[in-house]
Amino acid sequence: DTAVSQTPKYLVTQMGNDKSIKCEQNLGHDTMYWYKQDSKKFLKIMFSYNNKELIINETVPNRFSPKSPDKAHLNLHINSLELGDSAVYFCASSRTSGGTANTGELFFGEGSRLTVL
Amino acid sequence: SQKIEQNSEALNIQEGKTATLTCNYTNYSPAYLQWYRQDPGRGPVFLLLIRENEKEKRKERLKVTFDTTLKQSLFHITASQPADSATYLCALRNAGNMLTFGGGTRLMVKP
Repeated sequence: DTAVSQTPKYLVTQMGNDKSIKCEQNLGHDTMYWYKQDSKKFLKIMFSYNNKELIINETVPNRFSPKSPDKAHLNLHINSLELGDSAVYFCASSRTSGGTANTGELFFGEGSRLTVL
Repeated sequence: SQKIEQNSEALNIQEGKTATLTCNYTNYSPAYLQWYRQDPGRGPVFLLLIRENEKEKRKERLKVTFDTTLKQSLFHITASQPADSATYLCALRNAGNMLTFGGGTRLMVKP
């Protein structure tokens, strides 16, 4: 049973196209995230949603629009793709309740490698 | 500006030795520090958490230290094995509850 699953795993597309990456978690977590990992392996947070509400929106272009239909899903839609959008996008989830007993660990999906040509 | 620095050069060690990885940070007052392991083509996997009031945390062959004065965490793997070869990422959780990652250090354990 996959805890955090994202699709597709690979995505190759042309500049200017619009694409979506889907993410689902079956852990019952209340917070979900999108991270971008570039070619230098830096993991940068893009968005954080808690109970379907946007909590964190880092300096991400408006072309990126997250959508959370329910607590278990956080999808990422990207408009007008650019070469610089090529990266691996990771979805993650965590539980924010539980007080000091909560380690706050993130559970990551396997990543979606986006290549823009 | 806030920075989390890990040695970008790969660390090569012989099987059985202790691997020590470093995570330095500036302009943070982290409530937590976490370490993750990432294998090629996979997502990061949580290993250990250490809180600001803890000096050391152990889990099997892993040991993490946290020095808030030096603004540094050390991650040790004792009796290293080739299967420990991976990239190790440190991450800071600040008062805003946001988790920010360092660039990771790749560890290669040779048999």
